[in-house]
Amino acid sequence: AQKVTQAQTEISVVEKEDVTLDCVYETRDTTYYLFWYKQPPSGELVFLIRRNSFDEQNEISGRYSWNFQKSTSSFNFTITASQVVDSAVYFCALLTGNNRKLIWGLGTSLAVNP
Amino acid sequence: DVKVTQSSRYLVKRTGEKVFLECVQDMDHENMFWYRQDPGLGLRLIYFSYDVKMKEKGDIPEGYSVSREKKERFSLILESASTNQTSMYLCASRGAGGVLDNEQFFGPGTRLTVL
Repeated sequence: AQKVTQAQTEISVVEKEDVTLDCVYETRDTTYYLFWYKQPPSGELVFLIRRNSFDEQNEISGRYSWNFQKSTSSFNFTITASQVVDSAVYFCALLTGNNRKLIWGLGTSLAVNP
Repeated sequence: DVKVTQSSRYLVKRTGEKVFLECVQDMDHENMFWYRQDPGLGLRLIYFSYDVKMKEKGDIPEGYSVSREKKERFSLILESASTNQTSMYLCASRGAGGVLDNEQFFGPGTRLTVL
């Protein structure tokens, strides 16, 4: 079975705090891709990052960083020094093999308070 | 930049009406998708299309149909709208699916209310 679990439904932090959003996935495929998307209050999902199963290097983009660990089937997302503009729902998703369909987590709603 | 547009941001319809939601992408993408998003249920795939005139059911196709007559346009049809179809509808498109071409790009969404 293929599954994506985002155990944190809602997180609330104060501005400038660091926050980590967890994503755990399940698949038996050896080739797969993991994604993070951001959905701000405006509603449009924005692609943030893709990782393939053969590349376990962590990624950093400004205040955002991603930690991919195959040993724990996790692809966690950390926001450093959070800002109010980071308030959004964040989705993790899995694409396996030749599938066209993404398997989505249920999302984590992040509120960054001033 | 990929642009995915949806015909309406907000739509209010009556029970039993036929409803058309239109989606257009400008990047010559092969794959297009329709999702609905409801609180606590995340994104659920209704239908997708991998080529013109080709379609495949997603996880919740009941009560919906789709049409893809042209590559850039993917329509979602509610044959007889019901109140339980009140939701946010999201359209997405994706390229052929190569290693660097498999992320989905989303439109702004249509919030449909069925009274």
